[in-house]
Amino acid sequence: KNEVEQSPQNLTAQEGEFITINCSYSVGISALHWLQQHPGGGIVSLFMLSSGKKKHGRLIATINIQEKHSSLHITASHPRDSAVYICAVDRGGADGLTFGKGTHLIIQP
Amino acid sequence: EAQVTQNPRYLITVTGKKLTVTCSQNMNHEYMSWYRQDPGLGLRQIYYSMNVEVTDKGDVPEGYKVSRKEKRNFPLILESPSPNQTSLYFCASSLSRSAGKAQYFGPGTRLLVL
Repeated sequence: KNEVEQSPQNLTAQEGEFITINCSYSVGISALHWLQQHPGGGIVSLFMLSSGKKKHGRLIATINIQEKHSSLHITASHPRDSAVYICAVDRGGADGLTFGKGTHLIIQP
Repeated sequence: EAQVTQNPRYLITVTGKKLTVTCSQNMNHEYMSWYRQDPGLGLRQIYYSMNVEVTDKGDVPEGYKVSRKEKRNFPLILESPSPNQTSLYFCASSLSRSAGKAQYFGPGTRLLVL
């Protein structure tokens, strides 16, 4: 079983819809990251969370440490939000992040 | 501009021909790492470096070498590439390995080994 599970794997929605992507993990963590990967391949860090909630523009990320669960929400979705969204956990050791397999999001006009 | 650069961005090579993918960051970051991304498997760590001259294996180190002679550079070396090393490679850096430090990713290197 993967230490980090994302759902859904694929999501197609219409422009303007409210989007939720979920991430569950099975290990103790010190932080959780949400990353965005555009079709060109580059990866951008969206959020880093250790508790509570963060908001940046139309994006909101929440984390529940007790339930080992995080969600990424996109409000008023737009075709430019189409990308792969990756959840990654930081276990706090010397090695790096452990990644989920990503959620492929397509927003249709 | 703060960034992580990788070269080359695209590379086609043949089995057994040694190659190096360079990675450089201009943010004075201590921690650097290499990941590979494969369909259905996601991103997996190959090697990481806590600081100059300090490197260690990640989850999938077989067939790779790294060095960290200077703080800004962290090259990935494939001494004898094989087709199963065909992948998309990312270099990343962060200020330190302390928890909660943002990671900055390079643009990626697409490697095809024939």
